[in-house]
Amino acid sequence: DTGVSQNPRHKITKRGQNVTFRCDPISEHNRLYWYRQTLGQGPEFLTYFQNEAQLEKSRLLSDRFSAERPKGSFSTLEIQRTEQGDSAMYLCASSPTGVNTEAFFGQGTRLTVV
Amino acid sequence: AQSVTQLGSHVSVSEGALVLLRCNYSSSVPPYLFWYVQYPNQGLQLLLKYTSAATLVKGINGFEAEFKKSETSFHLTKPSAHMSDAAEYFCAVSDQAGGFKTIFGAGTRLFVKA
Repeated sequence: DTGVSQNPRHKITKRGQNVTFRCDPISEHNRLYWYRQTLGQGPEFLTYFQNEAQLEKSRLLSDRFSAERPKGSFSTLEIQRTEQGDSAMYLCASSPTGVNTEAFFGQGTRLTVV
Repeated sequence: AQSVTQLGSHVSVSEGALVLLRCNYSSSVPPYLFWYVQYPNQGLQLLLKYTSAATLVKGINGFEAEFKKSETSFHLTKPSAHMSDAAEYFCAVSDQAGGFKTIFGAGTRLFVKA
């Protein structure tokens, strides 16, 4: 399977703990995006990488959130001191460079903060 | 800034009936528009995309959408609904000035009655 891969698929954590999610994009894709989706809503953009450079961060991404893509391949999204409001589906997507392209999405990581 | 508005958070049709999901967009440049489908606890799958070629776009599973610039609309249709079409549908636009990230509408949940 050469699609976008996200791990873990599900994560339950206690409030105040740190969590880290991983995304492996489609191998030839330069762009990588993170989204957050809460129940009944569309995905909301969080951040975007072009190769290893993080080019944009949404105002939704508080100081407790950090994302990296150290070698321009896989990416990690870390949430520190989790809060119940962080409970959501975290989606990763990738796309090739170019204008006439769409984003390919992974299955997502569902985070539940208890 | 580009945006999309989906009219109707829920649509219910009978099996075999016409499906019509409405989407209006706002864009200062010629838009790239998409429809994605999401099944429960899954990522998003591309149904179809408009990239300034033909205004009537055909996608997977019998869906199609028509780009109407004068109405700033990109409505999704399917002539005959099937039970397996029950899912959440998202209209989206590519933010060409912002790393081509995808901006999503709030979604429309489609129910199909037997």
